[in-house]
Amino acid sequence: NAGVMQNPRHLVRRRGQEARLRCSPMKGHSHVYWYRQLPEEGLKFMVYLQKENIIDESGMPKERFSAEFPKEGPSILRIQQVVRGDSAAYFCASSPLQGRNTEAFFGQGTRLTVV
Amino acid sequence: AQKVTQAQTEISVVEKEDVTLDCVYETRDTTYYLFWYKQPPSGELVFLIRRNSFDEQNEISGRYSWNFQKSTSSFNFTITASQVVDSAVYFCALRNSGAGSYQLTFGKGTKLSVIP
Repeated sequence: NAGVMQNPRHLVRRRGQEARLRCSPMKGHSHVYWYRQLPEEGLKFMVYLQKENIIDESGMPKERFSAEFPKEGPSILRIQQVVRGDSAAYFCASSPLQGRNTEAFFGQGTRLTVV
Repeated sequence: AQKVTQAQTEISVVEKEDVTLDCVYETRDTTYYLFWYKQPPSGELVFLIRRNSFDEQNEISGRYSWNFQKSTSSFNFTITASQVVDSAVYFCALRNSGAGSYQLTFGKGTKLSVIP
């Protein structure tokens, strides 16, 4: 009965490198949400995906950030050419349905440090 | 637009004291959902409670209780007889029922330190 699994837990990248963050939703969940937590801040919504579809990416920076949730495999949040300001904790949540009576459960997060 | 305010940035209490964490929210929706999450030092987010706006009954779960007051747009969280393991950052969050109803809007969190 595994929960939402994120890996890696910690990721260190040099400026200009690419960061790939993975999220495997809970079994039976087909909706995935990514949030970013900057230091000393609450979480901010980035993107909502269903299998093979991006439903809402209104919270995601227009450049360098992309997300996908393929038919098979985990959801991937990709950050190209990372900068120091990308250092944050990235959380993934999943739910079986989208709507009023759903609850999103979060993974343990990936802490990205850009050096 | 929705907003969640947790005015208390940090609170320190001595073990066994009671402590209340405040949460005030703003939303134009008449139906919405309120949440509390705990983030211990290890960093994960632990879901504590979800409350629907049409259910104003207060809830108690062990040493935890929640006071939902629609009239003041508040959803406060009380820990009774606090313990060191309660030390964490606590987030209040809001989700509307309309368009974008999957998005959680979080407050900035209250860091609770329980001193032995």
